[in-house]
Amino acid sequence: GEDVEQSLFLSVREGDSSVINCTYTDSSSTYLYWYKQEPGAGLQLLTYIFSNMDMKQDQRLTVLLNKKDKHLSLRIADTQTGDSAIYFCAESPTSGTYKYIFGTGTRLKVLA
Amino acid sequence: EADIYQTPRYLVIGTGKKITLECSQTMGHDKMYWYQQDPGMELHLIHYSYGVNSTEKGDLSSESTVSRIRTEHFPLTLESARPSHTSQYLCASSVDRGRNTIYFGEGSWLTVV
Repeated sequence: GEDVEQSLFLSVREGDSSVINCTYTDSSSTYLYWYKQEPGAGLQLLTYIFSNMDMKQDQRLTVLLNKKDKHLSLRIADTQTGDSAIYFCAESPTSGTYKYIFGTGTRLKVLA
Repeated sequence: EADIYQTPRYLVIGTGKKITLECSQTMGHDKMYWYQQDPGMELHLIHYSYGVNSTEKGDLSSESTVSRIRTEHFPLTLESARPSHTSQYLCASSVDRGRNTIYFGEGSWLTVV
């Protein structure tokens, strides 16, 4: 079956690193994504990783992919109060399907 | 940056009224989607479209309807709004090439009183 799971909440202090985790079940997705949702807004694409990569770094963001364990993580270095939001991981549709699979979302709270 | 626009952003209407939520994208994407999301909760796909004149229902049953007469336009209509329709509605689009990324609009917050 298809399922993407995330922990619901994460609280960190400003300046610390945040690590948001995601586990998924469909190993045939080509791309995996991280989206950020601020209050009252839509989902904003933060970064993505191709399924044959282990790691991708983009400024303060580091994505790690462990295909064997079907585990995806997003590390935010030097977390700021502006990073407080809900973060969703997502899988791209597999061939012949339409459906993006989104996680349940992790609410990140950054304490000043 | 995604070029996908939703109007209205916020709307309060009375029970029984008809409402259309507009969604337009300027990226030439074939696929478009409507998701329903309660505040801070999971996304639920309610409609999608592969292209012009193509519409399908999503995973979550919805009393809304959609149309796709032009590539760039994917409006959602509620014929008779009820308080249970109060939610945020997110429009999105994607294309089957490159990173196959799905892009979202800013959302339409609907409150039915």
